[in-house]
Amino acid sequence: KQEVTQIPAALSVPEGENLVLNCSFTDSAIYNLQWFRQDPGKGLTSLLLIQSSQREQTSGRLNASLDKSSGRSTLYIAASQPGDSATYLCAVPGQGGSEKLVFGKGTKLTVNP
Amino acid sequence: GAGVSQTPSNKVTEKGKYVELRCDPISGHTALYWYRQSLGQGPEFLIYFQGTGAADDSGLPNDRFFAVRPEGSVSTLKIQRTERGDSAVYLCASSLRPTLSTDTQYFGPGTRLTVL
Repeated sequence: KQEVTQIPAALSVPEGENLVLNCSFTDSAIYNLQWFRQDPGKGLTSLLLIQSSQREQTSGRLNASLDKSSGRSTLYIAASQPGDSATYLCAVPGQGGSEKLVFGKGTKLTVNP
Repeated sequence: GAGVSQTPSNKVTEKGKYVELRCDPISGHTALYWYRQSLGQGPEFLIYFQGTGAADDSGLPNDRFFAVRPEGSVSTLKIQRTERGDSAVYLCASSLRPTLSTDTQYFGPGTRLTVL
């Protein structure tokens, strides 16, 4: 059974800091990994999708890396801003390449002005 | 274009009642997913439709939960004899080509269900 763990559960940083969010998964036979953002009371917004053949993806100040063999991914946020405050969720396909997504519990990020 | 929409945004019901939650996917998306998110947890998969048929319903917790997608577009999640433990945010997502490694699921804002 695919399981996803995210560390830390919560993170509070001052504005301008660079930070790293971690995600690990138990079944490395994945075809992609996604990072989502969730604002309070809202749905999920896809931030980055990394295919299994890729090692990283970048979008603006966000950079996600993937190490399939070790079952790990990181989301790097550069020059954090108060508007980055949200919960960040990592998701991978279910066991055996299922189309369903298996999510971690998320990291709640607070960026203080 | 319009994203995934869900109605109602909030639903309060009493224990034992029947509820229906509706999802309108992005036009043209063949795949539709239902997830449930409890406070402080990530979303948990319930059911996945490819077209009109349920391709994977392994996440439905018991036979009180049922979902339909009769015309391959709008879907309704139905919960019978609701229990307090059913209280959660129910999220719907849709995607265009789920068999591709580049496929992304687009999520709706969710329906917050509260069972008193």
